[in-house]
Amino acid sequence: SQTIHQWPATLVQPVGSPLSLECTVEGTSNPNLYWYRQAAGRGLQLLFYSVGIGQISSEVPQNLSASRPQDRQFILSSKKLLLSDSGFYLCAWSVGTVNEKLFFGSGTQLSVL
Amino acid sequence: AQSVTQLDSQVPVFEEAPVELRCNYSSSVSVYLFWYVQYPNQGLQLLLKYLSGSTLVESINGFEAEFNKSQTSFHLRKPSVHISDTAEYFCAVSETGFQKLVFGTGTRLLVSP
Repeated sequence: SQTIHQWPATLVQPVGSPLSLECTVEGTSNPNLYWYRQAAGRGLQLLFYSVGIGQISSEVPQNLSASRPQDRQFILSSKKLLLSDSGFYLCAWSVGTVNEKLFFGSGTQLSVL
Repeated sequence: AQSVTQLDSQVPVFEEAPVELRCNYSSSVSVYLFWYVQYPNQGLQLLLKYLSGSTLVESINGFEAEFNKSQTSFHLRKPSVHISDTAEYFCAVSETGFQKLVFGTGTRLLVSP
């Protein structure tokens, strides 16, 4: 069966420090991968999505970047965190072009202080 | 590009009352539509979806949504809510042939006795 792993679950980082959140999917090939940020009052905001290795689409210009070094690995990064980067980050995957269902990871609560 | 509007950030209702959560979308092409639910302290999960065919779709726990192309809406309804329906509900849209899934800002349904 397919599973999605996202870590860490919580993270407290000082302003200006780097960030690396990792997400891996098991049990499927060539998934579509997504990074979302969930913030109070702003719902679920799509940050990046990828339909294949090295293919990244950015939805929101910001302080973050994403990479997909392997088929089932998706990394969210920042060189210097801002206070406004605080939030709940969710990784998700789907298969195919119909996108019938998105499967979400358990999320990372990031607090930038 | 597609977008989703959920005008109601919070909907309080009494148990056994009917409820409607509104969702409107914007897209220049045909779309797939979804409702996701996030119960307290749980991850996001798919509630129901419209891909094609009948414009009225149902979930296993009594919710239904109707795709109205002329009004570009996909409102979620339930004739009689339970306390256990308390959750945040997200409407989402995906343009056919594309892997990007865009979510609305969410509606918090609060069911009280």
